[in-house]
Amino acid sequence: DARVTQTPRHKVTEMGQEVTMRCQPILGHNTVFWYRQTMMQGLELLAYFRNRAPLDDSGMPKDRFSAEMPDATLATLKIQPSEPRDSAVYFCASGSGTGWNGYTFGSGTRLTVV
Amino acid sequence: GNSVTQMEGPVTLSEEAFLTINCTYTATGYPSLFWYVQYPGEGLQLLLKATKADDKGSNKGFEATYRKETTSFHLEKGSVQVSDSAVYFCALTQNTGNQFYFGTGTSLTVIP
Repeated sequence: DARVTQTPRHKVTEMGQEVTMRCQPILGHNTVFWYRQTMMQGLELLAYFRNRAPLDDSGMPKDRFSAEMPDATLATLKIQPSEPRDSAVYFCASGSGTGWNGYTFGSGTRLTVV
Repeated sequence: GNSVTQMEGPVTLSEEAFLTINCTYTATGYPSLFWYVQYPGEGLQLLLKATKADDKGSNKGFEATYRKETTSFHLEKGSVQVSDSAVYFCALTQNTGNQFYFGTGTSLTVIP
């Protein structure tokens, strides 16, 4: 089965450090989402791209978060500087077309900022 | 606007019990509806979907029917197993391929 690959699976970092999370969407998928999951807030949409162009990043704190797709096989989510409240599981999801078939999620990056 | 409301958890059932997890939605237009399942330590997996009114999505013994008149998409399973223990998310998307709107998730624990 085709998979969305996220790296790293786990990341522990100190407050103030830069964190980069990577996502390899399924080949041929043209839509990529970044979600954050916490116990308190549930699933929050941070940003999404179609054909590598950002369509909506209104869910992202702009002062410290940035999301890019340098090419069709790689999406990145960067936090600089990181803060303890950024501790969460970050999921990438990809899909094609209009989403009628749903989107495929990666296994997530569990980020802990101490 | 678009939103999804699903029943609060956690839900605890005995093996072979009947499961219902309620989901209602608010949407402009005609959304597609989904149930996703998240097992511990994993990402969300698509469980089933329905793209128009009166459609029934089904997979692995789970079913949900798209009810436009009640704006609902309740998840059901006739006989749950321990392996069904997970968090279940109801979601919708407008058929323009934009973002998904997820419910808050319902945790299900099935005990032997």
